[in-house]
Amino acid sequence: ETGVTQTPRHLVMGMTNKKSLKCEQHLGHNAMYWYKQSAKKPLELMFVYNFKEQTENNSVPSRFSPECPNSSHLFLHLHTLQPEDSALYLCASSTSTTRDTQYFGPGTRLTVL
Amino acid sequence: GNSVTQMEGPVTLSEEAFLTINCTYTATGYPSLFWYVQYPGEGLQLLLKATKADDKGSNKGFEATYRKETTSFHLEKGSVQVSDSAVYFCALREYNFNKFYFGSGTKLNVKP
Repeated sequence: ETGVTQTPRHLVMGMTNKKSLKCEQHLGHNAMYWYKQSAKKPLELMFVYNFKEQTENNSVPSRFSPECPNSSHLFLHLHTLQPEDSALYLCASSTSTTRDTQYFGPGTRLTVL
Repeated sequence: GNSVTQMEGPVTLSEEAFLTINCTYTATGYPSLFWYVQYPGEGLQLLLKATKADDKGSNKGFEATYRKETTSFHLEKGSVQVSDSAVYFCALREYNFNKFYFGSGTKLNVKP
């Protein structure tokens, strides 16, 4: 089984919809991350969780709401998004939040109409 | 602050050509440096890393040397293959905290 999985791989939603992205890691890691990848822009770190606790929120709008019920699962709940939120959302995990390699999932391609 | 700058793409090469993708960084302290690769439709995969000055990271024929004096971490490969076509990201990680700063990516196209 691959290390970090994300579902769905593609999502199209309207601005009034509510949807959730799911990330699962099978690596026994304790830290998980959400990144946003927009065309021609550097990856933007959104949230960091360490042992289920949020340790960083990189000034992300409240229409993005993360949830980490345990160290293996990470969700990103989406509501009332804007077209400019269309991007590839990447999940990553690492052993800890100090000096460890991050392993990435394949991403969810989100399109907001 | 911390930041990474890498050359804009796309870079188009013929098979067996020599590859260089430039990366420079700005950082406080002693960061670790990384190259990640993203194949079409996939997430980022770690390609190589270096954790201190003068370290050379290498993997799959790619290599990069951590140059503190020029704040650079250029990616090189002596002979590229069509299967190397992907987007390459340079990144730095702050010392002792797992916060990454990524460049905007360089797309490599290798033609047969």
